[in-house]
Amino acid sequence: SQQGEEDPQALSIQEGENATMNCSYKTSINNLQWYRQNSGRGLVHLILIRSNEREKHSGRLRVTLDTSKKSSSLLITASRAADTASYFCATDGHSGNTPLVFGKGTRLSVIA
Amino acid sequence: GAGVSQSPSNKVTEKGKDVELRCDPISGHTALYWYRQSLGQGLEFLIYFQGNSAPDKSGLPSDRFSAERTGGSVSTLTIQRTQQEDSAVYLCASSAGGFGGYTFGSGTRLTVV
Repeated sequence: SQQGEEDPQALSIQEGENATMNCSYKTSINNLQWYRQNSGRGLVHLILIRSNEREKHSGRLRVTLDTSKKSSSLLITASRAADTASYFCATDGHSGNTPLVFGKGTRLSVIA
Repeated sequence: GAGVSQSPSNKVTEKGKDVELRCDPISGHTALYWYRQSLGQGLEFLIYFQGNSAPDKSGLPSDRFSAERTGGSVSTLTIQRTQQEDSAVYLCASSAGGFGGYTFGSGTRLTVV
């Protein structure tokens, strides 16, 4: 079953604008991760936020986590054409011995 | 190796044939995962190996699917009597275990004709 659900399914913006993607999940987690996928191939790990963290930054990425609402957001600032990809959130089980559950992803298109 | 290696990168097979997909994880990573992704969809979990523990096979869609991991390293996913609905990208990932991030391979695109 897919626990994480991203919103929107697709997003198209102009280069230089900010892109915000949201993720909702259903059960308690230990951490939440965001991944990027180019051209339907391997995923690249972007950032991990723990359940006791509320916000985390990495370069132009900003991730927030609201465990009370079971939701997370990924913000990409000053987007570039190279940011065009699909973005997935993934949640773990509480024990750490369960595989990540991925959402269906948000397809981001950044137009130059 | 430096990354997760999967082979072949593309495979076209006839319906009813068996296929084997290979994954070579990062050296030292104790956990190995197989997922598949149909066109435009999210990742569907298939099977998970952690160290010497019995694998978690809860995601395998039918008994035509099986996987093994030899010597705690290389893994092979086997699909017997392939069907057209098996067409997808099969992704392998490895991790150091626990709550860390995964490193994915580039996947095998399987097309059943």
